[in-house]
Amino acid sequence: DGGITQSPKYLFRKEGQNVTLSCEQNLNHDAMYWYRQDPGQGLRLIYYSQIVNDFQKGDIAEGYSVSREKKESFPLTVTSAQKNPTAFYLCASSIVGGNNEQFFGPGTRLTVL
Amino acid sequence: GENVEQHPSTLSVQEGDSAVIKCTYSDSASNYFPWYKQELGKRPQLIIDIRSNVGEKKDQRIAVTLNKTAKHFSLHITETQPEDSAVYFCAASIIQGAQKLVFGQGTRLTINP
Repeated sequence: DGGITQSPKYLFRKEGQNVTLSCEQNLNHDAMYWYRQDPGQGLRLIYYSQIVNDFQKGDIAEGYSVSREKKESFPLTVTSAQKNPTAFYLCASSIVGGNNEQFFGPGTRLTVL
Repeated sequence: GENVEQHPSTLSVQEGDSAVIKCTYSDSASNYFPWYKQELGKRPQLIIDIRSNVGEKKDQRIAVTLNKTAKHFSLHITETQPEDSAVYFCAASIIQGAQKLVFGQGTRLTINP
């Protein structure tokens, strides 16, 4: 279970505020990912990064931003432009190439009031 | 882009019976198909995966079959046990650097004692 951590576990914010979710990994993985999980739906890819200082939009990037300044860290900012930000957010990491199983963090449940 | 459909959304079976979950995908270029298990309140974990160069893969009580022509793949769990109760997600991607997984909607499997 260790290796990839997310904080905090629960997060409450007022509407209109930006919020940053933390994701850290010590697995020496080059690739990192952010997913959103809503009830009754599968995981949807927000952003992913294959290498430091580079990242790509996923399927639902609008209203989100990321940075990848360090290999170990891939923070996600949920901006006020995200119309429905209340959700469960999962971070994952993997090697690039070969058997690239994605390892998930424990998730952050964001509630916007 | 890729679209993955998963059925059924809920499945209830008696302990000891078999469970089958089915997924279809749209992009014929997809060549990697993992299955993740998510227990209540926990992170998704890979349980089995298959690449497009094989038609079936088994790991103890779990097996996955792939029909590339029909673009569908299935998860089979035999001799089900209470600890198999969880939400199962299928996914599809093309193996190329960082993995852009497209997930199905999930199946909530309940094993009745």
